[in-house]
Amino acid sequence: NAGVMQNPRHLVRRRGQEARLRCSPMKGHSHVYWYRQLPEEGLKFMVYLQKENIIDESGMPKERFSAEFPKEGPSILRIQQVVRGDSAAYFCASSSQQGAAYEQYFGPGTRLTVT
Amino acid sequence: AQSVSQHNHHVILSEAASLELGCNYSYGGTVNLFWYVQYPGQHLQLLLKYFSGDPLVKGIKGFEAEFIKSKFSFNLRKPSVQWSDTAEYFCAVTLPNTGNQFYFGTGTSLTVIP
Repeated sequence: NAGVMQNPRHLVRRRGQEARLRCSPMKGHSHVYWYRQLPEEGLKFMVYLQKENIIDESGMPKERFSAEFPKEGPSILRIQQVVRGDSAAYFCASSSQQGAAYEQYFGPGTRLTVT
Repeated sequence: AQSVSQHNHHVILSEAASLELGCNYSYGGTVNLFWYVQYPGQHLQLLLKYFSGDPLVKGIKGFEAEFIKSKFSFNLRKPSVQWSDTAEYFCAVTLPNTGNQFYFGTGTSLTVIP
């Protein structure tokens, strides 16, 4: 049973470019969460999505960041016009249903470096 | 501010030493508590979790944690560490009825010396 897949694992972008991070949840999971880990900090919640719906984006920066989870295909976290402060590790997690009883499984992360 | 605090940022132990990593949270009301581990180059893995019931929770690989409600704490323990326990350890909280997103501590880096 394949786990949560994220690609790319490492991404280098110049300032001003766009970064697209992909997350394929575990088979049968329809809930996806994105987290960001800045250097020397813990993981911070960004956004929670179900298929075709954004449920909670309270942790997303107001500008340049967007996320989607289409009916078919992976969830995408998009960062437009990247800046050096966007350099971080971005993790996604998936679960089969919402609720504390349903474990979230984490992917290996995408390490974004903005030069 | 609501937060999850891990006071030990870096811990170095010799093999067979006992381990205790601190975790405190500041959320009121009911919380669900977790410890995750991230081995070098790998993704986060669940060590153990507490929802309710016995406050002493046993997890994988000999780890356990004790929930002390009066102290808002959920410390992780292991009686005898091994070199393979070298990893980053994260304490996390979820708040029921708020979407189930995790609130993480900043992590504790554990190095076990053979």
